[in-house]
Amino acid sequence: DQQVKQNSPSLSVQEGRISILNCDYTNSMFDYFLWYKKYPAEGPTFLISISSIKDKNEDGRFTVFLNKSAKHLSLHIVPSQPGDSAVYFCAGEKNTGIASKLTFGTGTRLQVTL
Amino acid sequence: DVKVTQSSRYLVKRTGEKVFLECVQDMDHENMFWYRQDPGLGLRLIYFSYDVKMKEKGDIPEGYSVSREKKERFSLILESASTNQTSMYLCASSSTGGYTEAFFGQGTRLTVV
Repeated sequence: DQQVKQNSPSLSVQEGRISILNCDYTNSMFDYFLWYKKYPAEGPTFLISISSIKDKNEDGRFTVFLNKSAKHLSLHIVPSQPGDSAVYFCAGEKNTGIASKLTFGTGTRLQVTL
Repeated sequence: DVKVTQSSRYLVKRTGEKVFLECVQDMDHENMFWYRQDPGLGLRLIYFSYDVKMKEKGDIPEGYSVSREKKERFSLILESASTNQTSMYLCASSSTGGYTEAFFGQGTRLTVV
């Protein structure tokens, strides 16, 4: 049961333009949603998050939008830069009372071209 | 600078071997996690630990076990390595209480031949 889905395995965007990465979820019990960025041969690094009670969070060039009725979130990168080329994972976080567990999507590979 | 360190970047092991993957964090985090990353499948949780000597199964625990004898160290054990356990293994840690992001190690690429 894939609770978090990223249906686009790859995306190519020109430098300077907007990148939009999408994520859908089925579990309404997530408390937060997070985006992680991963370069080859490195561990994922945290990028930005949003509480399940919010609909938007912005941090510099990165904005995450949450549409609870559609169970959909998206990450916008404006403007896109070559250094943004990486695999992006969205994740839902649920606090179980014991620990916070992350459930990841399958990832979207972003290629920012010159 | 926060750190999660995995003992090996690359490992090659033979089928049937017992394999130990080690992870150490220096952030005094209560929670530690082991994930594996495979193409098209994303990151899948194998096991996690919320305290010393405490553990819970994740989504794909079969063929694995874990050990957490000290707060800073979390070990993943492949009891009898098989070729389908060839993967990238990622350790992560996080603190407890409200929202908190998880910090990841650099990953261990394990190949079972």
